[in-house]
Amino acid sequence: SQTIHQWPATLVQPVGSPLSLECTVEGTSNPNLYWYRQAAGRGLQLLFYSVGIGQISSEVPQNLSASRPQDRQFILSSKKLLLSDSGFYLCAWFGQSSGANVLTFGAGSRLTVL
Amino acid sequence: GENVEQHPSTLSVQEGDSAVIKCTYSDSASNYFPWYKQELGKRPQLIIDIRSNVGEKKDQRIAVTLNKTAKHFSLHITETQPEDSAVYFCAAPFISGGYQKVTFGIGTKLQVIP
Repeated sequence: SQTIHQWPATLVQPVGSPLSLECTVEGTSNPNLYWYRQAAGRGLQLLFYSVGIGQISSEVPQNLSASRPQDRQFILSSKKLLLSDSGFYLCAWFGQSSGANVLTFGAGSRLTVL
Repeated sequence: GENVEQHPSTLSVQEGDSAVIKCTYSDSASNYFPWYKQELGKRPQLIIDIRSNVGEKKDQRIAVTLNKTAKHFSLHITETQPEDSAVYFCAAPFISGGYQKVTFGIGTKLQVIP
């Protein structure tokens, strides 16, 4: 079966520090992968999506970037964090589950920027 | 792209009553409509979905209805229980630039009062 892993689960970072969040998917090949951000009490904002190695599309301009160095690995990064980057970051993959294409989320990474 | 509107943003019901959450979408090509439940601090999880070739789908106390002509779909929860308290998101996948994306509604915070 397919599983999706995210880490770290929580982190607290100072403004201006770098960021790296990692997501890996197991049990599938060539998945469509997504990064969403959820600010406190808010909805789900699509940040990046990727259909394959090295293929990244950005939805909104920001100081974040994403990379896909391997088929099942999707990384969210920043060189210098802003206070507004605080939030709950969710990796997701869109693929077959129980015979249908569904969007499945990882457990999330909760980032607090101080 | 797809625009998904969801209402109400908050909903309080007495335990045992029914709850209804409604969503509208803009892309007439959309053919799959999932609903996610997000408990506090956790990832959104798929609870039910419906495809455009049916008008209603039920799973125990939850049901989803779809009106393709009007481009809206609704989540119905009957005999609500305190554990139904959560944020519910509707979503609509769509194709953009040849790639599959998923747009979410803003979410509905459901509170079931014991």
